[in-house]
Amino acid sequence: DAGVIQSPRHEVTEMGQEVTLRCKPISGHNSLFWYRQTMMRGLELLIYFNNNVPIDDSGMPEDRFSAKMPNASFSTLKIQPSEPRDSAVYFCASSYPGTSGGTQYFGPGTRLLVL
Amino acid sequence: AQSVSQHNHHVILSEAASLELGCNYSYGGTVNLFWYVQYPGQHLQLLLKYFSGDPLVKGIKGFEAEFIKSKFSFNLRKPSVQWSDTAEYFCAVGNQGGKLIFGQGTELSVKP
Repeated sequence: DAGVIQSPRHEVTEMGQEVTLRCKPISGHNSLFWYRQTMMRGLELLIYFNNNVPIDDSGMPEDRFSAKMPNASFSTLKIQPSEPRDSAVYFCASSYPGTSGGTQYFGPGTRLLVL
Repeated sequence: AQSVSQHNHHVILSEAASLELGCNYSYGGTVNLFWYVQYPGQHLQLLLKYFSGDPLVKGIKGFEAEFIKSKFSFNLRKPSVQWSDTAEYFCAVGNQGGKLIFGQGTELSVKP
């Protein structure tokens, strides 16, 4: 199995630009999670989906952040407009089953730098 | 609300020393428990997990953890650490909502 795939692996952009992060979960997994990791705040859950439906987006910092999961094999996290404080590593994780806190498998992450 | 507490923020050990990282959680129901490891510059990887059965769980690379229900604890242990164990370690609890609640992480530095 290829594991969770994220792209891009690195992103450098300027403040105000739109950023789109992509994730392909492990085939057969029905839950997908987006996390953000920074030195100051540690690992934060932003949003998660079960069966392509957003279940909890309480961790999304503000309206500039949005996430979609149009099908079972693809999800995006979009930041528009981006700000320097959004600089972080963004991880995607998937799991199965999703109802009992199953084992999550993490992708390699996207390192985002907003100048 | 559920929470996970890791008591040690940063642990420094010499090679061959024994390791124990504390993890306590607050949740009254059935729990799934996890330890993840994050090597420098890498993503989180599963070290071991407990769902049910024998409360002493063995994971990869010689790590083990013991679930003590009465103490709401799931401490991670290794009898003899190596320089390559330098990493950040996260304890997590799974809830019925389907997500994992992570602790703050413990950074382990092993001196050669």
